[in-house]
Amino acid sequence: QKEVEQDPGPLSVPEGAIVSLNCTYSNSAFQYFMWYRQYSRKGPELLMYTYSSGNKEDGRFTAQVDKSSKYISLFIRDSQPSDSATYLCAALHNTDKLIFGTGTRLQVFP
Amino acid sequence: DAGVIQSPRHEVTEMGQEVTLRCKPISGHDYLFWYRQTMMRGLELLIYFNNNVPIDDSGMPEDRFSAKMPNASFSTLKIQPSEPRDSAVYFCASSFRDRGFGGTDTQYFGPGTRLTVL
Repeated sequence: QKEVEQDPGPLSVPEGAIVSLNCTYSNSAFQYFMWYRQYSRKGPELLMYTYSSGNKEDGRFTAQVDKSSKYISLFIRDSQPSDSATYLCAALHNTDKLIFGTGTRLQVFP
Repeated sequence: DAGVIQSPRHEVTEMGQEVTLRCKPISGHDYLFWYRQTMMRGLELLIYFNNNVPIDDSGMPEDRFSAKMPNASFSTLKIQPSEPRDSAVYFCASSFRDRGFGGTDTQYFGPGTRLTVL
């Protein structure tokens, strides 16, 4: 079992929809959780990070962590075609190692 | 800053050949990471360095893979001999330790090297 599991999708939604991306993890030692966005043929770039449980909002994006259920979520409001990308969740190990999910491919169509 | 620079961007080689991937991290960053990305396994950490010293190479798949960081501005990942199952996109990332963050700061990824082994 991978330490961070993520549904690969693809997920296809119309412009303006609310998108929910989810991951689960197995290691209760994880403290920091990140979402990276990766456009086609590019390297991943950090979108948001959260520490422990709770919500964090940045514009149209909200990251949520529920440590009791080991569940990580990213919500995108008013989705745009420019949001079309692969979204990778990641958890920081107690060293310096980031453990990534396999990524969910999102397509927002006009 | 130009960001993390990787070369080559694409590499096509035949099975058994030696492959060398190169990375120039962002100036001032003290961590460097090598990842491999495939559809099946996603993004996997191969090895990482702190201040040019290898810290964890547990992700290196086998002895055919080796990585070096001779100085703060250059790292290589070598595969010898290469095999078709090594075909993947290889990413280099660098970061700077932010004590306030409590751990590794944001990792900045390069554009990747797309390796195809025939």
